[in-house]
Amino acid sequence: TQLLEQSPQFLSIQEGENLTVYCNSSSVFSSLQWYRQEPGEGPVLLVTVVTGGEVKKLKRLTFQFGDARKDSSLHITAAQPGDTGLYLCAGVTGNQFYFGTGTSLTVIP
Amino acid sequence: SQTIHQWPATLVQPVGSPLSLECTVEGTSNPNLYWYRQAAGRGLQLLFYSVGIGQISSEVPQNLSASRPQDRQFILSSKKLLLSDSGFYLCAWIFGQAPRNGYTFGSGTRLTVV
Repeated sequence: TQLLEQSPQFLSIQEGENLTVYCNSSSVFSSLQWYRQEPGEGPVLLVTVVTGGEVKKLKRLTFQFGDARKDSSLHITAAQPGDTGLYLCAGVTGNQFYFGTGTSLTVIP
Repeated sequence: SQTIHQWPATLVQPVGSPLSLECTVEGTSNPNLYWYRQAAGRGLQLLFYSVGIGQISSEVPQNLSASRPQDRQFILSSKKLLLSDSGFYLCAWIFGQAPRNGYTFGSGTRLTVV
């Protein structure tokens, strides 16, 4: 089993603060994806990173894939209430996807 | 554009009753289709996937079954629901087999077995 642990599990912050979510594994993945899920909806793909050390930016969100392709981080700058949701990472090996345990983020106005 | 439809949105069923959840995809052909279950807003558990009509792979032995009667239709069923079948069920598709492409998920079905 290729387990992906996310931390923190829950995060509640004030609007305007910065935060980082981590996705860690002992397994190597060919790529890693991040999804955001709002209550009562399906997850939506945010980004895919495929190269060790790769950094991708999506407006206020910065995603990094670890050099060894075992871990990833998501950094949000100046969080807004619209960032509230469940963030899921997914490691990909071949055609297999392994979802992380999830980080529930609440941004308080 | 490709879209995925899943229904119903919510369902409350008694223990021992049957289940049928339907998922259809538009705007693509021969998609890989998936059923996931999510417990209490946490990570996703893959239940079944299908690479074509009549082709079903089961990841977790359990009280559920899946069928793919048409290219763009995927059905999740149970003959007798258990309390432990409660959860949020998500249908998803992915174009081809490329890992660079992510899942497109339906809006989910919240199943409560009482």
